[in-house]
Amino acid sequence: EVQLVESGGGLVQPGGSLRLSCEVSGFTFIKYWMTWLRQAPGKGLEWVANIKEEGSETHYADSVKGRFAILRDNTKNSIYLQMNSLRVEDTAVYYCARLTKDYFDHWGQGVLVTVSS
Amino acid sequence: EIVMTQSPATLSVSPGERVTLSCRASQSVSNKLAWYQQNAGQAPRLLIYDASSRATGIPARFSGSGSGTEFTLTISSLQSEDFAVYYCQQYNNRWTFGQGTKVEVK
Repeated sequence: EVQLVESGGGLVQPGGSLRLSCEVSGFTFIKYWMTWLRQAPGKGLEWVANIKEEGSETHYADSVKGRFAILRDNTKNSIYLQMNSLRVEDTAVYYCARLTKDYFDHWGQGVLVTVSS
Repeated sequence: EIVMTQSPATLSVSPGERVTLSCRASQSVSNKLAWYQQNAGQAPRLLIYDASSRATGIPARFSGSGSGTEFTLTISSLQSEDFAVYYCQQYNNRWTFGQGTKVEVK
């Protein structure tokens, strides 16, 4: 069974940093691109960042470029989202997801990040 | 950026009814269109990819159609577990989602 489990969310002040983790199981991790997406409270879904199978290529939404970094550790079947210079508008539930042929076929349960003073 | 527009925003229906949800892209996305279902407090679940292919384990009452800029998700006979928010998403040029259609009990 494919499973994705996020962790690391919480409350952080504007301008602060936070690192999210997503550990996966149930599939051959190194064969897939992986993704972070987010959903602000009561809002729709927004793609945030992708990372290639071996980690050599990444893509970011304009809203987070230069502030967020997506990383992966294939020895730990995990991806990470390093979030710096956080803003109030970054408040959201963050999901990790598996990318298959450019669509998101498996999602984690999500982790809440709240940016507030 | 490709903008995805879903209609209606809310649909009030009774169990057993046939439901049709619409999604329009601001420019052609070919057939690179997915549909997701999100129940309250849960993560989205993939229903349809490549505009008309059902994902693994998705019941046959869900079907997708369309290409280019106009797409439709049809639920042939609405079940109680189908009351949820539905999102379309294009993956022809990066990844963007519609704002969602909420299917609620009439």
